[in-house]
Amino acid sequence: EAGVAQSPRYKIIEKRQSVAFWCNPISGHATLYWYQQILGQGPKLLIQFQNNGVVDDSQLPKDRFSAERLKGVDSTLKIQPAKLEDSAVYLCASSLGPRSTDTQYFGPGTRLTVL
Amino acid sequence: GEDVEQSLFLSVREGDSSVINCTYTDSSSTYLYWYKQEPGAGLQLLTYIFSNMDMKQDQRLTVLLNKKDKHLSLRIADTQTGDSAIYFCAGQTGANNLFFGTGTRLTVIP
Repeated sequence: EAGVAQSPRYKIIEKRQSVAFWCNPISGHATLYWYQQILGQGPKLLIQFQNNGVVDDSQLPKDRFSAERLKGVDSTLKIQPAKLEDSAVYLCASSLGPRSTDTQYFGPGTRLTVL
Repeated sequence: GEDVEQSLFLSVREGDSSVINCTYTDSSSTYLYWYKQEPGAGLQLLTYIFSNMDMKQDQRLTVLLNKKDKHLSLRIADTQTGDSAIYFCAGQTGANNLFFGTGTRLTVIP
């Protein structure tokens, strides 16, 4: 079974530029998550989707971050404009559903460096 | 929100046991998890424990949960060099939202 795919793996941009990350979850997984992992810290949930609807985006900085999952499969996370403090690894995860018994499987992440 | 704390570093000799500790503040988690992160890789679920259990054993891994003290530990028996990684404990709230600790970097000395 293929795992969670993310691209690109690495991205370097200058502050105030825009950037987008892509995630393809495990086939059949209805729930998709985006996490931000700053160096030296644990991952922090940014947004959770159930199919193409948002379940929780309470920690998403909505003035500059946006995410969509239009067809309930792939998802994109965008930052516009980027700030220095956005430098982090952005992890995508998916699970069969939103229940506590549904294991989250993580992709390899996209490492973003903002100069 | 939930606060999850871990010590940052642990070094052990190959063949010894490793014990990684975690404390958390929110007691409403249904499950508590241990994830492993190797360099350049995503997080891999190692094991989890249901909140009404005290202990769970899975091959070389033993998880102990003390609900009264809100303390979770992961013991790795016969630690190998391949166990060198960062280990995260995580609590869970709401619709399967995970709250991670800062991670413990385990270094296994040959």
